[in-house]
Amino acid sequence: QQQVKQSPQSLIVQKGGISIINCAYENTAFDYFPWYQQFPGKGPALLIAIRPDVSEKKEGRFTISFNKSAKQFSLHIMDSQPGDSATYFCAARASSGTYKYIFGTGTRLKVLA
Amino acid sequence: GAVVSQHPSWVICKSGTSVKIECRSLDFQATTMFWYRQFPKQSLMLMATSNEGSKATYEQGVEKDKFLINHASLTLSTLTVTSAHPEDSSFYICSGRGGLGEKLFFGSGTQLSVL
Repeated sequence: QQQVKQSPQSLIVQKGGISIINCAYENTAFDYFPWYQQFPGKGPALLIAIRPDVSEKKEGRFTISFNKSAKQFSLHIMDSQPGDSATYFCAARASSGTYKYIFGTGTRLKVLA
Repeated sequence: GAVVSQHPSWVICKSGTSVKIECRSLDFQATTMFWYRQFPKQSLMLMATSNEGSKATYEQGVEKDKFLINHASLTLSTLTVTSAHPEDSSFYICSGRGGLGEKLFFGSGTQLSVL
């Protein structure tokens, strides 16, 4: 089953708070897990990504935590800012064939000033 | 990051006409191009995968005769929506990948409105 489940659907966080978005997958034939940020009317932009042999990756205020056994990964945005308000998508890349990407359903984040 | 230029940004057309959307990779060779469709407040739904010089691979339920994809060069891929109807109105996004690289680079999207 090639599916990536994402939660929550929407999230409201106070400025300076931590935003946490979770994703889970079922297919073990994924080898790359990126997170994308999308502003209205624009294409998604790569935020941060992780491979399954790593449990955590941090880039600035953004951290991915990866739990291979549970088939779950999450995005943490520290010190959330109003400019972070956007829709976030997790994704998983198939490790064979066309190496296509399966996207989660998206989380609309709003950071209050 | 690498740049994928997508045009037009928006297009309005009459029902029954065809619309062509172009995506160009400006600073890398996109050996693979993915085409997505996105409805308001929804996720990206993969329509098709195209490799340079090959026929596109369409996802289940996507009409290949309606959504014509051409990937004739390593820097240009096009999606033509033929005989467009109002239900084809959507946000279409392309993304390119070089070789078997992991990173996808997205275009800025095309909002298609069919009257």
